[in-house]
Amino acid sequence: NAGVTQTPKFQVLKTGQSMTLQCAQDMNHNSMYWYRQDPGMGLRLIYYSASEGTTDKGEVPNGYNVSRLNKREFSLRLESAAPSQTSVYFCASSEVFTSGNEQFFGPGTRLTVL
Amino acid sequence: AQTVTQSQPEMSVQEAETVTLSCTYDTSENNYYLFWYKQPPSRQMILVIRQEAYKQQNATENRFSVNFQKAAKSFSLKISDSQLGDTAMYFCAFMSSGAGSYQLTFGKGTKLSVIP
Repeated sequence: NAGVTQTPKFQVLKTGQSMTLQCAQDMNHNSMYWYRQDPGMGLRLIYYSASEGTTDKGEVPNGYNVSRLNKREFSLRLESAAPSQTSVYFCASSEVFTSGNEQFFGPGTRLTVL
Repeated sequence: AQTVTQSQPEMSVQEAETVTLSCTYDTSENNYYLFWYKQPPSRQMILVIRQEAYKQQNATENRFSVNFQKAAKSFSLKISDSQLGDTAMYFCAFMSSGAGSYQLTFGKGTKLSVIP
C-alpha cells in the first residue's frame, strides 16, 4: 500500500497563475483533508471532505477550491496564486472505524509563489 | 473554537535521557481526542501517540507516554531513553468527537534536538 500520495512534491508559480495539487489514498478511507504548514506554525486546515460527495471549509479556505473526485482522490486548486499562499501543503485521510481517528498524511508539496 | 498551545518552541535533551514536552488546550467539550505527531526533517507527519478523553489511563507506546490531566486541560508527552532519531518537530493536536468530520487543530510545535 502506498498510503497517501501527493503530486507534485515541489512547485514554483508566478503570482496569478493557477494550479491543482493532487492527492490520492489507497486505504479506503472516507474522510480526506487539506492542510497548510507555514514556518513557526502548526498545520492549519484548509478544506476537508467527510465522505465522497461532500466538502466543507476549514480554518483558512480563502483562495482555494477543492474537488472530491471519488473516494480515493481529493484535489486542491489555487485559481490565482498569491505570495501569501507560499507554504507546504499536506493531504491526509482517515477512517473512524478502522483507523481510530488517526489521520494519515502524505509527504507534502512545497509551493512557492513569486 | 478549540485552541492548542505548546509553550516550548525549542528543547534539547542528551541521548538516553528523558524529556517532557508540554501541551495545553482549550475546549468546552467533554469528549475528544488528543494526539502527538512527530515531523522529522523528512517532513513526513507520523503519529506518536493518541489519547481518548474518556479514558482516565494515560496512553503509552514503548518509550513514549503521556500525562493527561483533563481538568487542567493538559497533555504532556514524555520521551524516555531519548534517541538521535527522536530529533524532530513535535505537534500536539486536538480532535473533537462531535464535529462529524474529525478535524485536527494543531499547536505550533516544539522543536526537539537530541544531543549525542
